Amino acid sequence: EPEVTQTPSHQVTQMGQEVILRCVPISNHLYFYWYRQILGQKVEFLVSFYNNEISEKSEIFDDQFSVERPDGSNFTLKIRSTKLEDSAMYFCASSEVLGPTMGDTQYFGPGTRLTVL
Amino acid sequence: RKEVEQDPGPFNVPEGATVAFNCTYSNSASQSFFWYRQDCRKEPKLLMSVYSSGNEDGRFTAQLNRASQYISLLIRDSKLSDSATYLCVVTHSGAGSYQLTFGKGTKLSVIP
Repeated sequence: EPEVTQTPSHQVTQMGQEVILRCVPISNHLYFYWYRQILGQKVEFLVSFYNNEISEKSEIFDDQFSVERPDGSNFTLKIRSTKLEDSAMYFCASSEVLGPTMGDTQYFGPGTRLTVL
Repeated sequence: RKEVEQDPGPFNVPEGATVAFNCTYSNSASQSFFWYRQDCRKEPKLLMSVYSSGNEDGRFTAQLNRASQYISLLIRDSKLSDSATYLCVVTHSGAGSYQLTFGKGTKLSVIP
C-alpha cells in the first residue's frame, strides 16, 4: 500500500538554527499539507500546497516557515530560525483530490519529531 | 473560530465493553467529518468517515447530527487493540484548500 514517508524521524537542533523537514507524498497525490502536534496537544494545520504554491496557511505559519516542492517527489518544510516553542511532531499529509469528495482522504506520514534546545 | 470539542478522557473499559465518544464542532460550514485514530507518538490514521445517514464498519458506528453539530463514535465489543486516542476531525473548504481541524482526542484504554 502506498504511504507518505518523512525524514528524519527525529531532528535535534539548537535554537536559531535552520531545519528542513522532508516528506515524500503518495505518488499520484496532488495536494500536500503540513500539520504539527505539540506534545500533549491537538494536531494543528500549518499549510496546504497545490500546483507549486501555497493554497492556505494558518496563523502559526509565519515568515519563519516556508514550503517547497523542489522536485517531482519531495515536499519540504523549512523553519528558518528555530525557537524553543517549535519543538513538536511535524506531520506531512497528502490527498489525491480536494474534498469534499471521493479520494479526499488525507494520508499522514509517520512524522518528524523536532526538538529545539 | 473553528473548534472541535471532545469528551475529556481517559476512558478505561474492560474487553468486550461498548464505549461511546462524542464530539461537537462550532463551524456550521464544516463539510466533512471523520474519526481518526492515533497511537502513542504515531501519526493519525483514518478510522472512518462520518455521513449524515450514519455509517457502520464492523464494530464501529459513526453518527452525525448536522443540526446539533454533533458527531459520535460507538465501539462495540472492545478489543485490547482498540486502545488509542480517538480524534474527531472536521473540514471546511477554503480557497483551494481543505484543511482538517482536529479535536484534542479522547484516550481509550481497553483493559484485559
